Amino acid sequence: DAKTTQPNSMESNEEEPVHLPCNHSTISGTDYIHWYRQLPSQGPEYVIHGLTSNVNNRMASLAIAEDRKSSTLILHRATLRDAAVYYCILTGDYGQNFVFGPGTRLSVLP
Amino acid sequence: DAGVIQSPRHEVTEMGQEVTLRCKPISGHDYLFWYRQTMMRGLELLIYFNNNVPIDDSGMPEDRFSAKMPNASFSTLKIQPSEPRDSAVYFCASSFDLNGTGNTAGELFFGEGSRLTVL
Repeated sequence: DAKTTQPNSMESNEEEPVHLPCNHSTISGTDYIHWYRQLPSQGPEYVIHGLTSNVNNRMASLAIAEDRKSSTLILHRATLRDAAVYYCILTGDYGQNFVFGPGTRLSVLP
Repeated sequence: DAGVIQSPRHEVTEMGQEVTLRCKPISGHDYLFWYRQTMMRGLELLIYFNNNVPIDDSGMPEDRFSAKMPNASFSTLKIQPSEPRDSAVYFCASSFDLNGTGNTAGELFFGEGSRLTVL
């Protein structure tokens, strides 16, 4: 079973910020939090990852709760091309992670 | 870099036939993952390797499935005999050791997938 839980779907308007939540209450101290997205008919692609501190890259920002039991992927200005399924997974010690849940299907409205 | 290369991209076979899916990871990567994706079950982790050694194969559905990684640049996923319920898109992904300790993978790079249809 996935170690993360996410809402099934979310909707956003174009050019508005989007906050995608993820709960990972059983995270261990050495687990990294990764986010991927999957566009229609494509394989998943990496978005961002972090361990404890908030992270920014050209695609998105990752906000990690102080207790690390939850995180939020932030798309600062959603575009129609951001419509995809977003997955939050944990990567770390052997045998526990790299498991994808159903993810959050993000719809972006023009 | 060419990325993760999977073959074949599409395969249609009949029930009972043997299917072999192939994956070439990104050069220098330490981890290799096999996933299967269906509408009903989503993206399932089947097995992953670290330095060519299988680490977790608990996701392999049954004995009909087997995966090998004979060297750092090649892996196969074999289904024998195949059944219609094996129809899915099979993804291979590779990654590097994130922190040098040998137990944490970094960013997963996915191939384009192999779409398998078993009639």
